[in-house]
Amino acid sequence: QVTLKESGPALVKPTQTLTLTCTLSGLSLTATGVRVSWIRQPPGKAPEWLARIDWDGDKFYNASLKTRLTISTATSKNQVVLVMTNMDPEDTATYYCARAFGSGSYSYFDYWGQGILVTVS
Amino acid sequence: DIQMTQSPSSLSASVGDRVTITCRASQSIRVYLNWYQQKLGTAPKLLIYTASTLQTGVPARFSGGGSGTDFTLTISNLQPEDFATYYCQQTESPSGSFGGGTKVEV
Repeated sequence: QVTLKESGPALVKPTQTLTLTCTLSGLSLTATGVRVSWIRQPPGKAPEWLARIDWDGDKFYNASLKTRLTISTATSKNQVVLVMTNMDPEDTATYYCARAFGSGSYSYFDYWGQGILVTVS
Repeated sequence: DIQMTQSPSSLSASVGDRVTITCRASQSIRVYLNWYQQKLGTAPKLLIYTASTLQTGVPARFSGGGSGTDFTLTISNLQPEDFATYYCQQTESPSGSFGGGTKVEV
């Protein structure tokens, strides 16, 4: 059974750096074809894809947030880490990690974490 | 970047109704369109991928169609558990942008 779980602070101050961790179970980050994304959703708004890391180390970022984001893995712990710098109240959102199945344009999020609400204030 | 526009933004329906939600892309995305259902306080749940393929375990009353720029999600025989918000998502471009959502209310 595949599960993902996000962890991190619930509250950060403006200008601070946010570090979120996604812990995977039932899925190995080093297995061929495994891709994990971070997605956020401001209250009452649509989801927004942030970043993705693949099993082979390739990384992809939302172009509008690229300068603020860093995605990485802690393979020994089967975790994906997202760092977002210079947090702003507009970054208040529920942050999800999700497994991205497929490759290229053929892709969808089939497993999601429960999400973590991060408030910037 | 590819913009996704859903309509309507909300609709009222009754149990047993047939409901259709539309998603339009700002440029062709071929069939790379996914649909998700989200209930309050929970993560989105994948319903349909590549425009018309039903995810395993999703009831057959859900169906998707379309290609290019225009897509639909249809729920036939609406059930009480179907009252939720629905999002489309394109995966033609790396941004994987989502539509604004359609809330299906009682």
